[in-house]
Amino acid sequence: AQSVTQLDSHVSVSEGTPVLLRCNYSSSYSPSLFWYVQHPNKGLQLLLKYTSAATLVKGINGFEAEFKKSETSFHLTKPSAHMSDAAEYFCVVSDRWPGGGADGLTFGKGTHLIIQP
Amino acid sequence: EAGVTQSPTHLIKTRGQQATLRCSPISGHTSVYWYQQALGLGLQFLLWYDEGEERNRGNFPPRFSGRQFPNYSSELNVNALELEDSALYLCASRQLAGGRNEQFFGPGTRLTVL
Repeated sequence: AQSVTQLDSHVSVSEGTPVLLRCNYSSSYSPSLFWYVQHPNKGLQLLLKYTSAATLVKGINGFEAEFKKSETSFHLTKPSAHMSDAAEYFCVVSDRWPGGGADGLTFGKGTHLIIQP
Repeated sequence: EAGVTQSPTHLIKTRGQQATLRCSPISGHTSVYWYQQALGLGLQFLLWYDEGEERNRGNFPPRFSGRQFPNYSSELNVNALELEDSALYLCASRQLAGGRNEQFFGPGTRLTVL
């Protein structure tokens, strides 16, 4: 069985400061891990993905995440927050087929990122 | 490249009625996934269709059903609606071949049950 825990339901940072959104996972197999972002009243957009290649993954809009197997973590970071980053962020795991072929994707509960001006 | 589209954007029904939600995947994608995003419950996997067949379903009662058409578009049907079915329903598509394994999401259908 697979599961995802997003450690913070809300994160508030000032514009221009670093962003850290924390995610821990549990997986019986070698997992594929994703971060998705959801802006208000919009669908989900893929930020980045890890599929057993490089452990440091770079995504869109300046975000990156590091896969740490020993810590079962996949934290999302960005050096400098922008107002447009305000959204809901979901950490996602799939350990059956890459991309969730058998069980779909297992989503974390989400982290609401607030950007203070 | 056109993205995943869903219709309608909003749907209002009363308890006991049936709801039908539609999804068109990205061209060339053969797999369609349905998810329910209910307030306080997060995103939960509902159904997976590929090549016209149901491949897997999440922990939902049988009144949640659907199908996939020859053009790979999909329909989600929810029978005997209950108040707790009110949620955003998201459809995603994926191309199984070619090594790209991420799912691409549509904007969702917001279902309100009164």
